[in-house]
Amino acid sequence: EPEVTQTPSHQVTQMGQEVILRCVPISNHLYFYWYRQILGQKVEFLVSFYNNEISEKSEIFDDQFSVERPDGSNFTLKIRSTKLEDSAMYFCASSINRDSETQYFGPGTRLLVL
Amino acid sequence: SQKIEQNSEALNIQEGKTATLTCNYTNYSPAYLQWYRQDPGRGPVFLLLIRENEKEKRKERLKVTFDTTLKQSLFHITASQPADSATYLCAVTGGGNKLTFGTGTQLKVEL
Repeated sequence: EPEVTQTPSHQVTQMGQEVILRCVPISNHLYFYWYRQILGQKVEFLVSFYNNEISEKSEIFDDQFSVERPDGSNFTLKIRSTKLEDSAMYFCASSINRDSETQYFGPGTRLLVL
Repeated sequence: SQKIEQNSEALNIQEGKTATLTCNYTNYSPAYLQWYRQDPGRGPVFLLLIRENEKEKRKERLKVTFDTTLKQSLFHITASQPADSATYLCAVTGGGNKLTFGTGTQLKVEL
């Protein structure tokens, strides 16, 4: 069964450094998302992406964050200058199209900012 | 403000019993509601979706109800097994495609 994959599974970085989290959505899916989950808290929406542009973003997704689909398979989340409070699990998700209700999540990248 | 609330306390039940988890929402009028399962350190896995015009939906040992008057969904696992132990999340869309999740209820099924 097709799956969303994410790399790396774990990332440790120093405060102020840039990180890029990578995702490969399910191949025939057209709608992509990033969510994050701070330890012990709920899963929170960051951004959705469709047709090579941001469809919607939350208040969390400020100027330090950006997303890109650099080629036909990868979907990336970049955090320009990491802060301690960016430490969280970051989940990528995809859905077949914008009318599809079900989203399929990847296993996540655990980001730790020191 | 919009809220989705799930029992924050863990639910411990005995194997073979029915687990019932609750999701209440306020200031939403969702066209549908979804339930996901999340294991420790893993991403949410979709289980069931129920639409506003459906009262009940079943999939194998899972059953979901949706009461738009009470603004509540109940999630049942019958004949529960230790492998059902996980955190169960309810989620709604308030507009657009973004999912808004509840905090989740941790279920532990004991032998």
